[in-house]
Amino acid sequence: GDSVTQTEGLVTLTEGLPVMLNCTYQTIYSNPFLFWYVQHLNESPRLLLKSFTDNKRTEHQGFHATLHKSSSSFHLQKSSAQLSDSALYYCAHMGYKLTFGTGTSLLVDP
Amino acid sequence: GGIITQTPKFLIGQEGQKLTLKCQQNFNHDTMYWYRQDSGKGLRLIYYSITENDLQKGDLSEGYDASREKKSSFSLTVTSAQKNEMAVFLCASSSGTGAERLFFGHGTKLSVL
Repeated sequence: GDSVTQTEGLVTLTEGLPVMLNCTYQTIYSNPFLFWYVQHLNESPRLLLKSFTDNKRTEHQGFHATLHKSSSSFHLQKSSAQLSDSALYYCAHMGYKLTFGTGTSLLVDP
Repeated sequence: GGIITQTPKFLIGQEGQKLTLKCQQNFNHDTMYWYRQDSGKGLRLIYYSITENDLQKGDLSEGYDASREKKSSFSLTVTSAQKNEMAVFLCASSSGTGAERLFFGHGTKLSVL
């Protein structure tokens, strides 16, 4: 069945440094939909980015991701981390149902 | 905009007890979901429903029942609470089953003594 892999459970970095959170997926669908959801402390998850177009960069709130079907990846990036970016980030894939990865906690230190 | 309301926010139960969690949405969305959130395990789908009175099992349906009484409400029942179980249950809704975004409630935190 479909699966989503987020290899890092916790990423800690200093404010101002670039962010990259990894996401790869496995699916039988030739046209996958990929998502990033973000959950801040004591809040509910909300959609950050989504894409279904191969090799097209998608941006929102300073974050960006590009779906690469050739490598089955949808990594989340930001050029400069802010303290407010500290949160739990979920990558998700839509096949016949939405499948979430295990999540990556991003902790940004001053 | 709309809102998803989950009740109760906190639920403390006894081992073996049957416990019910409720979810209401006013988005007029067709599809509703129940996810379980555990640290390090992500969000795992328990049940979802694409319309009133419809019910579809997710990956984690064993030990749970669900009911979509009307379009705006979706309840989840833990059929027999497990001792020392702790988890957050998130309800969500979307306008369809395709690539539409999910809107989540704030969750019900379950603790079993």
